[in-house]
Amino acid sequence: EVQLVESGGGLVQPGRSLRLSCAASGFTFDGYAMHWVRQPPGKGLEWVSSINWKSDSVGYADSVKGRFTISRDNAKNSLYLQMSSLRTEDTAFYYCAKAFSYDFWSGLNYWGQGTLVTVSS
Amino acid sequence: QAVLTQPASLSASPGASASLTCTLRSGINVGTYRIYWYQQKPGSPPQFLLRYKSDSDKQQGSGVPSRFSGSKDASANAGILLISGLQSEDEADYYCMTWHSNAYVFGTGTKVTVL
Repeated sequence: EVQLVESGGGLVQPGRSLRLSCAASGFTFDGYAMHWVRQPPGKGLEWVSSINWKSDSVGYADSVKGRFTISRDNAKNSLYLQMSSLRTEDTAFYYCAKAFSYDFWSGLNYWGQGTLVTVSS
Repeated sequence: QAVLTQPASLSASPGASASLTCTLRSGINVGTYRIYWYQQKPGSPPQFLLRYKSDSDKQQGSGVPSRFSGSKDASANAGILLISGLQSEDEADYYCMTWHSNAYVFGTGTKVTVL
Protein backbone atom coordinates (compact mmCIF):
# COMPACT_ATOMS: atom_id res chain seq x y z
CA GLU A 1 0.00 0.00 0.00
CA VAL A 2 1.34 3.39 -1.02
CA GLN A 3 1.84 5.69 1.95
CA LEU A 4 2.98 9.30 1.85
CA VAL A 5 3.41 11.14 5.14
CA GLU A 6 4.17 14.84 5.15
CA SER A 7 5.74 16.70 8.06
CA GLY A 8 7.36 20.01 8.86
CA GLY A 9 4.40 22.34 8.59
CA GLY A 10 3.58 24.99 11.16
CA LEU A 11 3.33 28.69 11.84
CA VAL A 12 6.09 30.84 10.37
CA GLN A 13 6.59 34.56 9.99
CA PRO A 14 6.67 36.24 6.59
CA GLY A 15 10.15 36.25 5.11
CA ARG A 16 11.27 33.17 7.04
CA SER A 17 12.03 29.68 5.83
CA LEU A 18 10.56 26.24 6.38
CA ARG A 19 11.40 22.76 5.17
CA LEU A 20 8.74 20.17 4.46
CA SER A 21 9.41 16.44 4.30
CA CYS A 22 7.49 13.54 2.84
CA ALA A 23 8.23 9.97 3.90
CA ALA A 24 7.26 7.43 1.26
CA SER A 25 6.59 3.71 1.61
CA GLY A 26 4.78 0.89 -0.13
CA PHE A 27 6.43 1.39 -3.54
CA THR A 28 9.87 1.60 -5.13
CA PHE A 29 10.51 5.25 -4.38
CA ASP A 30 13.47 5.72 -6.73
CA GLY A 31 11.37 4.54 -9.68
CA TYR A 32 8.93 7.43 -9.60
CA ALA A 33 8.80 11.17 -9.95
CA MET A 34 7.26 13.09 -7.06
CA HIS A 35 5.27 16.27 -6.63
CA TRP A 36 4.18 18.94 -4.19
CA VAL A 37 0.69 20.44 -4.51
CA ARG A 38 -0.85 23.00 -2.19
CA GLN A 39 -4.35 24.07 -1.24
CA PRO A 40 -5.18 27.22 0.72
CA PRO A 41 -7.86 26.44 3.32
CA GLY A 42 -11.25 26.39 1.63
CA LYS A 43 -9.81 26.97 -1.84
CA GLY A 44 -8.66 25.01 -4.86
CA LEU A 45 -5.56 23.03 -5.74
CA GLU A 46 -2.32 24.55 -7.03
CA TRP A 47 0.67 22.63 -8.34
CA VAL A 48 3.89 23.75 -6.63
CA SER A 49 6.80 21.63 -7.83
CA SER A 50 7.88 18.30 -9.29
CA ILE A 51 11.08 16.25 -9.47
CA ASN A 52 11.93 13.25 -11.59
CA TRP A 53 13.23 9.95 -10.29
CA LYS A 54 16.94 10.82 -10.39
CA SER A 55 16.67 14.51 -9.50
CA ASP A 56 18.07 15.81 -12.76
CA SER A 57 14.81 17.40 -13.85
CA VAL A 58 12.65 19.67 -11.72
CA GLY A 59 9.78 22.04 -12.29
CA TYR A 60 8.24 24.91 -10.34
CA ALA A 61 5.12 27.01 -10.49
CA ASP A 62 5.84 30.63 -11.33
CA SER A 63 4.45 31.64 -7.94
CA VAL A 64 7.26 29.83 -6.08
CA LYS A 65 10.12 29.87 -8.58
CA GLY A 66 13.28 31.24 -7.01
CA ARG A 67 11.93 30.81 -3.47
CA PHE A 68 11.18 27.07 -3.17
CA THR A 69 13.53 24.16 -3.84
CA ILE A 70 12.43 20.57 -4.30
CA SER A 71 14.76 17.68 -3.59
CA ARG A 72 14.72 13.98 -2.78
CA ASP A 73 16.84 11.38 -1.07
CA ASN A 74 16.18 8.02 -2.67
CA ALA A 75 18.24 6.23 -0.03
CA LYS A 76 15.84 7.56 2.61
CA ASN A 77 12.67 7.27 0.52
CA SER A 78 12.06 10.94 1.20
CA LEU A 79 10.94 14.04 -0.65
CA TYR A 80 11.60 17.58 0.52
CA LEU A 81 10.46 21.12 -0.14
CA GLN A 82 12.68 23.93 1.10
CA MET A 83 10.60 27.09 1.27
CA SER A 84 12.23 30.49 1.74
CA SER A 85 11.08 34.11 1.66
CA LEU A 86 7.66 32.91 2.70
CA ARG A 87 4.65 35.12 2.03
CA THR A 88 1.20 35.19 3.56
CA GLU A 89 -0.18 33.86 0.27
CA ASP A 90 1.90 30.68 0.74
CA THR A 91 -0.46 29.68 3.57
CA ALA A 92 -1.91 26.33 2.54
CA PHE A 93 -2.08 22.61 3.07
CA TYR A 94 0.91 21.12 1.29
CA TYR A 95 0.45 17.66 -0.23
CA CYS A 96 3.13 15.28 -1.37
CA ALA A 97 2.05 13.18 -4.35
CA LYS A 98 3.45 10.26 -6.31
CA ALA A 99 3.73 10.25 -10.09
CA PHE A 100 2.60 7.52 -12.45
CA SER A 101 6.14 6.96 -13.67
CA TYR A 102 9.73 8.21 -13.48
CA ASP A 103 9.01 11.42 -15.41
CA PHE A 104 7.06 14.15 -13.69
CA TRP A 105 4.84 15.00 -16.63
CA SER A 106 3.10 11.62 -16.23
CA GLY A 107 0.52 12.83 -13.71
CA LEU A 108 -0.22 12.29 -10.02
CA ASN A 109 -1.94 9.24 -8.59
CA TYR A 110 -1.39 8.93 -4.84
CA TRP A 111 -1.52 11.79 -2.35
CA GLY A 112 -0.44 12.19 1.26
CA GLN A 113 -2.67 13.61 4.00
CA GLY A 114 -1.00 17.01 3.81
CA THR A 115 0.71 19.36 6.25
CA LEU A 116 -0.51 22.88 7.02
CA VAL A 117 1.81 25.83 6.57
CA THR A 118 0.61 29.12 8.02
CA VAL A 119 2.55 32.26 7.18
CA SER A 120 1.59 35.05 9.54
CA SER A 121 3.16 37.64 11.76
CA GLN B 1 -8.93 33.35 -18.92
CA ALA B 2 -8.10 30.24 -16.92
CA VAL B 3 -6.62 27.24 -18.71
CA LEU B 4 -9.25 24.88 -17.23
CA THR B 5 -12.74 25.99 -16.29
CA GLN B 6 -15.22 23.98 -14.25
CA PRO B 7 -18.72 24.88 -13.14
CA ALA B 8 -18.74 25.77 -9.45
CA SER B 9 -21.51 23.41 -8.48
CA LEU B 10 -23.80 20.66 -9.66
CA SER B 11 -26.74 19.03 -7.93
CA ALA B 12 -28.41 15.75 -8.82
CA SER B 13 -30.61 13.10 -7.27
CA PRO B 14 -29.47 9.70 -6.06
CA GLY B 15 -29.39 7.22 -8.92
CA ALA B 16 -29.13 9.94 -11.56
CA SER B 17 -26.13 10.59 -13.79
CA ALA B 18 -23.93 13.65 -13.40
CA SER B 19 -21.74 15.01 -16.17
CA LEU B 20 -18.92 17.24 -14.97
CA THR B 21 -17.21 19.39 -17.55
CA CYS B 22 -13.66 20.71 -17.69
CA THR B 23 -13.41 23.26 -20.48
CA LEU B 24 -10.07 24.15 -21.96
CA ARG B 25 -9.24 27.74 -22.80
CA SER B 26 -9.82 28.80 -26.38
CA GLY B 27 -6.80 27.98 -28.51
CA ILE B 28 -5.91 24.87 -26.49
CA ASN B 29 -7.20 21.74 -28.21
CA VAL B 30 -8.58 19.18 -25.76
CA GLY B 31 -7.79 16.40 -28.22
CA THR B 32 -4.07 16.58 -27.50
CA TYR B 33 -4.35 16.63 -23.71
CA ARG B 34 -4.65 13.96 -21.07
CA ILE B 35 -7.23 15.04 -18.51
CA TYR B 36 -6.98 13.83 -14.91
CA TRP B 37 -9.88 13.78 -12.45
CA TYR B 38 -9.67 13.89 -8.67
CA GLN B 39 -12.27 13.62 -5.95
CA GLN B 40 -11.86 15.43 -2.65
CA LYS B 41 -14.09 15.00 0.36
CA PRO B 42 -14.04 17.45 3.29
CA GLY B 43 -11.01 17.05 5.52
CA SER B 44 -9.35 14.56 3.17
CA PRO B 45 -6.71 14.81 0.45
CA PRO B 46 -7.67 14.49 -3.21
CA GLN B 47 -7.97 10.97 -4.60
CA PHE B 48 -7.22 10.01 -8.17
CA LEU B 49 -10.31 8.84 -10.04
CA LEU B 50 -9.18 8.41 -13.64
CA ARG B 51 -7.29 9.90 -16.51
CA TYR B 52 -8.51 10.14 -20.08
CA LYS B 53 -6.96 11.15 -23.37
CA SER B 54 -8.77 8.82 -25.73
CA ASP B 55 -10.56 5.49 -25.61
CA SER B 56 -7.19 3.82 -26.19
CA ASP B 57 -5.36 5.99 -23.65
CA LYS B 58 -7.24 5.96 -20.39
CA GLN B 59 -6.75 4.60 -16.90
CA GLN B 60 -9.06 4.05 -13.96
CA GLY B 61 -7.79 4.62 -10.44
CA SER B 62 -7.25 1.63 -8.21
CA GLY B 63 -10.55 0.65 -6.62
CA VAL B 64 -12.52 3.35 -8.41
CA PRO B 65 -15.97 2.06 -9.43
CA SER B 66 -16.73 1.74 -13.12
CA ARG B 67 -19.63 4.14 -12.72
CA PHE B 68 -16.97 6.86 -12.90
CA SER B 69 -15.89 7.28 -16.50
CA GLY B 70 -14.06 9.80 -18.63
CA SER B 71 -14.58 11.16 -22.10
CA LYS B 72 -14.16 14.29 -24.20
CA ASP B 73 -16.51 16.60 -26.02
CA ALA B 74 -14.47 17.98 -28.88
CA SER B 75 -17.19 20.39 -29.94
CA ALA B 76 -17.13 21.98 -26.49
CA ASN B 77 -13.36 21.59 -26.16
CA ALA B 78 -13.93 19.89 -22.82
CA GLY B 79 -13.04 16.87 -20.79
CA ILE B 80 -15.98 15.07 -19.19
CA LEU B 81 -16.30 13.09 -15.96
CA LEU B 82 -19.49 11.05 -15.95
CA ILE B 83 -20.79 9.68 -12.69
CA SER B 84 -23.53 7.13 -13.25
CA GLY B 85 -25.92 6.00 -10.54
CA LEU B 86 -25.07 8.81 -8.15
CA GLN B 87 -24.70 7.80 -4.53
CA SER B 88 -24.64 9.92 -1.40
CA GLU B 89 -20.96 9.05 -0.96
CA ASP B 90 -20.21 10.80 -4.27
CA GLU B 91 -20.89 14.15 -2.66
CA ALA B 92 -17.52 15.88 -2.90
CA ASP B 93 -15.41 18.40 -4.80
CA TYR B 94 -14.11 17.26 -8.16
CA TYR B 95 -11.03 18.73 -9.83
CA CYS B 96 -9.69 18.24 -13.31
CA MET B 97 -6.01 18.67 -14.14
CA THR B 98 -3.72 18.64 -17.14
CA TRP B 99 -0.10 19.23 -18.09
CA HIS B 100 0.21 22.44 -20.07
CA SER B 101 3.21 24.64 -20.90
CA ASN B 102 5.53 22.69 -18.59
CA ALA B 103 3.23 23.02 -15.60
CA TYR B 104 0.34 21.18 -14.03
CA VAL B 105 -2.86 23.15 -14.14
CA PHE B 106 -5.91 22.40 -12.03
CA GLY B 107 -9.47 23.39 -12.73
CA THR B 108 -11.32 25.47 -10.17
CA GLY B 109 -13.32 22.49 -8.98
CA THR B 110 -16.98 21.45 -9.05
CA LYS B 111 -18.88 20.80 -5.85
CA VAL B 112 -21.28 17.93 -6.39
CA THR B 113 -24.31 17.75 -4.13
CA VAL B 114 -26.48 14.65 -4.04
CA LEU B 115 -29.98 15.81 -3.14
